Amino acid sequence: DAGVIQSPRHEVTEMGQEVTLRCKPISGHNSLFWYRQTMMRGLELLIYFNNNVPIDDSGMPEDRFSAKMPNASFSTLKIQPSEPRDSAVYFCASTETMNTEAFFGQGTRLTVV
Amino acid sequence: GIQVEQSPPDLILQEGANSTLRCNFSDSVNNLQWFHQNPWGQLINLFYIPSGTKQNGRLSATTVATERYSLLYISSSQTTDSGVYFCAVDFNKFYFGSGTKLNVKP
Repeated sequence: DAGVIQSPRHEVTEMGQEVTLRCKPISGHNSLFWYRQTMMRGLELLIYFNNNVPIDDSGMPEDRFSAKMPNASFSTLKIQPSEPRDSAVYFCASTETMNTEAFFGQGTRLTVV
Repeated sequence: GIQVEQSPPDLILQEGANSTLRCNFSDSVNNLQWFHQNPWGQLINLFYIPSGTKQNGRLSATTVATERYSLLYISSSQTTDSGVYFCAVDFNKFYFGSGTKLNVKP
């Protein structure tokens, strides 16, 4: 398996624009997690899905952020409108089931100017 | 949520030295993982270790769940070990510590 695949690897956008980050989990994995990493706050869990259903989105910073998982092999994290403080590295991770080993994608480095 | 504390926050080693990194957590957890974030930002799995001891080459880890801590041992360190080491504990969702930044000098 190719592991967790995220796209794009880098994204530079202007403030106010919509940004969509994409994630393909490992085949057969039933849980998917979105994280954000910044120098100030470290690694923060934004939202996680189990069997394509959002279980906990309490980490989503505000209504400008939304995430979907339309099927077992694809998830998106959308920011609309984007702001400079959203600049961070966004990671996606997947696990086979809840409470098992997590595997991370390579991350998307987002810069909002 | 669960509090995860890692120590030390920073560590400088001479190549060939050994080190021990510690992770304390505030509540019972279902599992625990150690990750290495390399200078390119990749998060690499080191150990999935909810309890007991595991070894992989120069690295080993021990988790004592009843006492709420885990240790990561690095022996004969190499410059490629540099980066940030994270402990993450899982009680239905992963909580990350703030990491130990390791710099191994040649």
